[in-house]
Order: sequence, then structure tokens, then C-alpha cells
Amino acid sequence: DIVMTQSPDSLAVSLGERATINCKSSQSLLFSSNNKNYLTWYQHKPGQPPKLLIYWASTRASGVPDRFSGSGSGADFTLTISSLQAEDVAVYYCQQYGKTFGQGTKVEIK
Amino acid sequence: EVQLVESGGGLVQPGRSLRLSCAGSGFNLDDYAMHWVRQAPGKGLEWVAVISRDSGSIVYADFVKGRFTISRDNAKNSLYLQMNSLRPEDTALYYCAKEPNGYFFYDYWGQGTLVTVSS
Repeated sequence: DIVMTQSPDSLAVSLGERATINCKSSQSLLFSSNNKNYLTWYQHKPGQPPKLLIYWASTRASGVPDRFSGSGSGADFTLTISSLQAEDVAVYYCQQYGKTFGQGTKVEIK
Repeated sequence: EVQLVESGGGLVQPGRSLRLSCAGSGFNLDDYAMHWVRQAPGKGLEWVAVISRDSGSIVYADFVKGRFTISRDNAKNSLYLQMNSLRPEDTALYYCAKEPNGYFFYDYWGQGTLVTVSS
């Protein structure tokens, strides 16, 4: 089974500063026949269902602000929030192939 | 408007059964693979099961194999999760989510239904 490991478990960032979350997979998520990495990022706020942010490692979902970006390939991925806003306080999860999630990273305001 | 509405949660004793439902609206369920995901109190998201558009492919997380059964009725635009032999560690908020077929991500989630397993 593929294991997803996120780092850090939590981070506190000042408003307007950059937040970076890492996600490592125990196996490559690159599907060679179409060159897609099946790595997804979700944002989860209390009392709400998770929200799709980034799919295929780097494609922003519809309506997601461009301060959110995803990068990486194979087994190492990164979610970057370029300029943290108050509404970005949440737990962020990576997911592989629509199945296993990472343990989550809690983002707070410093 | 796309909506997924879960129902069927509640308080149940260990060893008993519960059947969750997820009703879709604003889209055709048979265009999507469907998943169940859960979140135990204070814990992260945990994938439970997936069923393909035509029910021809079903995959479960190891921790529910033999106890849970995922199914769907496309004519009713509905998804189900039959949960048997429930354990206290199955206590969680259960979400259904839809996956554009073969895309391996969820574009919509329901609000969830709470299952509490306790004597």
C-alpha cells in the first residue's frame, strides 16, 4: 500500500508570508502513459467538507486563488501558499490516486 | 447545483450494523466513480472505499474489508455503505465524494453523516 507522509504536521505563518507544505509518497505517483502525477491537495476547514485545491500535482481547481500552487513529480510534492490570507487557515491534505491521504498539515496565523 | 447529501448515521452498539446513503442531485451519478471517506474525531481524513460507474470495480481500504460493502443505484442517483460488525474505532464523520471517472480526485463532497459506535 502507498503511504503518504506530509511535513510539517503544523506551521504558523505571518499574514502575507509564504507557506510551504511537503508531501512524500512511498511510491511514484507518475503515470507514465500520460505523464500525469495523480497527487491531489485538499483544504479542510472545521465544519465544512474538504475542498479540492490542486489536482494532477499542479492544476488548480476552478475558483481556487492563484496564491495556491502545486509542484513536484514522482514521489515528492509541494503545496505553496504564496501570500497567506486569514481565510487560508485550515488543514491541508495530500492524496494519492484518489485513495490514501497524508496525515494533514495544520496552517495557522503567526 | 451539484449536491451530495449523506444520511443514515447515528449511535449504534459495537457489533451492530448501519447503512449509510448518499443522495446526489444536479448531476448524473453514473458519470462518476464514487467514494466514501471518513474522519474520526480529532483525526485526519481516511479513505474507505470506491465504486466505479457501473459497479464493476470496487476497492476497499484494508481496515474495512469483509465488514463494509459499498454499492450504488444509478437509477436513484444514490450511493450506499453497508457497515457490519461495527467497532468503536469506526466512530467518524462519513463523507461521500464524487470522482470524475478516471481522474483520481474528488470534485465534490457531501457534508457528512456522523456514526458513533458505543455501548
